[in-house]
Amino acid sequence: DQQVKQNSPSLSVQEGRISILNCDYTNSMFDYFLWYKKYPAEGPTFLISISSIKDKNEDGRFTVFLNKSAKHLSLHIVPSQPGDSAVYFCAASASTGTYKYIFGTGTRLKVLA
Amino acid sequence: DTAVSQTPKYLVTQMGNDKSIKCEQNLGHDTMYWYKQDSKKFLKIMFSYNNKELIINETVPNRFSPKSPDKAHLNLHINSLELGDSAVYFCASSQGSGGGGYGYTFGSGTRLTVV
Repeated sequence: DQQVKQNSPSLSVQEGRISILNCDYTNSMFDYFLWYKKYPAEGPTFLISISSIKDKNEDGRFTVFLNKSAKHLSLHIVPSQPGDSAVYFCAASASTGTYKYIFGTGTRLKVLA
Repeated sequence: DTAVSQTPKYLVTQMGNDKSIKCEQNLGHDTMYWYKQDSKKFLKIMFSYNNKELIINETVPNRFSPKSPDKAHLNLHINSLELGDSAVYFCASSQGSGGGGYGYTFGSGTRLTVV
């Protein structure tokens, strides 16, 4: 029962263009969402977050959009750079009950120079 | 100055052995976690401790036993290792009791290979 899904295992984008990574969730109790970036042989590092009271959060080249009715969030990277090549995980948690983040399976982004 | 450090980074061992993975955080966080990333790349939570108290214990074989001597340390001991235990194990920490707006800081992972 995968409550957080990233249906695209990989994505290739040309340098300078926009990268859009998608994430869907099934649990309507989720109200906090995070994106993590992971390089090989390293742990995931926190990138950007959004709570359910917002529909957009921006941090430099990274913007996360949340569509609560569709239970969908997306991460936009503009402009994409070769150093952005990594695996991106989305994660969701509910502020009620047992606090934990449920992770998606990740999307491998390759930015082509 | 590593925020969340776990040792060893790589561990190769035979089936049936007992092994431990250690984790330490110097961030002053209240909560620590163990996550397992399996061959399908799922990152699944195993355990969570808040101030040395176990607060999350997912469906994990009881061969896995976490130990938290203090809030800066969370070790994972695995008895009678099986081939299916081969995975990358990540330690993480966060402020508060986890979830909500607090992101996790992850260690760099321990790749366990059982042969």
